[in-house]
Amino acid sequence: GQNIDQPTEMTATEGAIVQINCTYQTSGFNGLFWYQQHAGEAPTFLSYNVLDGLEEKGRFSSFLSRSKGYSYLLLKELQMKDSASYLCAVYNNNDMRFGAGTRLTVKP
Amino acid sequence: ETGVTQSPTHLIKTRGQQVTLRCSSQSGHNTVSWYQQALGQGPQFIFQYYREEENGRGNFPPRFSGLQFPNYSSELNVNALELDDSALYLCASSSDRAEQFFGPGTRLTVL
Repeated sequence: GQNIDQPTEMTATEGAIVQINCTYQTSGFNGLFWYQQHAGEAPTFLSYNVLDGLEEKGRFSSFLSRSKGYSYLLLKELQMKDSASYLCAVYNNNDMRFGAGTRLTVKP
Repeated sequence: ETGVTQSPTHLIKTRGQQVTLRCSSQSGHNTVSWYQQALGQGPQFIFQYYREEENGRGNFPPRFSGLQFPNYSSELNVNALELDDSALYLCASSSDRAEQFFGPGTRLTVL
C-alpha cells in the first residue's frame, strides 16, 4: 500500500520557526515535493528533494531521509501570510501521491 | 509565459449526468496530470497524459477518462456522475522535470 502521513494541524507564532513532518511508505520513490495551498486556491510549488539532505530556499528548507521514509519542511521567520495548508507529495513513475496536508495557522 | 488555465471555474451537475473539464498547459509543457481534491484532503491522482497518451493512472473507475490534444491541452471526462464526485478538480502541467504547476481548479458540485 501507499501511505503518506502528516500532522493535521499546527499553530505557530509570527516570527517563529515551525517544522512540518511527513512520513511515507510507498512502493517506489523518485522524489518528494512540498506544496503550499491557501484556502480556495491551487497548490504552489515550494521544494523538491531527490537525494538525502537539506535543500534551502530562502525562508523555506526541506529535508529528506530516504532510508527512514521521512521528510520535513522548515519555515523560518514566520509571517501571517504563511497561514495555509502544506502538502507533502511523493513522486514515483509519473504518479504523484499527496498527503492530506497540514493546516498551519500563524498567530500574531 | 502563460500559466495553467482551467475551465469552467465552477460547475453544477446532477447525478447520472456527464461532465467535461478543460485544461490548457503551461507553455513548453508536454505532460498534464489531473487530480481530485475533496474538501480538507490532499489531491488524489486521477491520471497523467504525456504526448497524447495516458501515462499513469490512479485508483479511479473507468468512468473517469481523459484526452490530450496535439497542443498538449487536455480534457477530463466523468460519466454517470455520483454525489461523491463533488470536489475540486486540479490540472497540473510539467515538462520533462517532475515539478508540476497547478491550474486554479474547477469546483464541481453534483446534486
